[in-house]
Amino acid sequence: DSGVTQTPKHLITATGQRVTLRCSPRSGDLSVYWYQQSLDQGLQFLIQYYNGEERAKGNILERFSAQQFPDLHSELNLSSLELGDSALYFCASSRGSSNTGELFFGEGSRLTVL
Amino acid sequence: SQQGEEDPQALSIQEGENATMNCSYKTSINNLQWYRQNSGRGLVHLILIRSNEREKHSGRLRVTLDTSKKSSSLLITASRAADTASYFCATDDYKLSFGAGTTVTVRA
Repeated sequence: DSGVTQTPKHLITATGQRVTLRCSPRSGDLSVYWYQQSLDQGLQFLIQYYNGEERAKGNILERFSAQQFPDLHSELNLSSLELGDSALYFCASSRGSSNTGELFFGEGSRLTVL
Repeated sequence: SQQGEEDPQALSIQEGENATMNCSYKTSINNLQWYRQNSGRGLVHLILIRSNEREKHSGRLRVTLDTSKKSSSLLITASRAADTASYFCATDDYKLSFGAGTTVTVRA
């Protein structure tokens, strides 16, 4: 158990809909990272937050947004969903703001868009 | 494109054999990490090697790093069925980029 909790574990929805994925980082970790893993794109970095502030941005679509709350949990919002958004979405956390240490991954949220 | 790229994409070995996979990257790094992912599960950190280190061991894992060639290798010795997983390297660019992974299958 990594200590990172993601909900929901599975989600099935229709095109055009909006979903919210939630992540609770490991106790004491201030950074939260979001990754998308699909069969054809591999593991893609989406965005990182550190202590409530956006730290780094990757290949995140404009239809997607994220935030980190004062209690350090984070939410990833996916809107106007398309079939191609079907993927595993991982949250990871780390102690500091830099990328020089170990990341602790949650078990992921599997999103299926029909 | 990904910063780190693993090679081969897939590897099938007999239990007890060694498995070697490689990672190449593009820019200079401070450290490189290897992670394991069991099917459909979250990634688990295996080992971190710093740019001033050439080799590091952890149990049955041996990692090497050649910064002049911008490459790293992960060796799993005496493989077991439980080693069946995908293995990823990650470099410490600003977004901790992962490669596409090497899928290792250990046959009993």
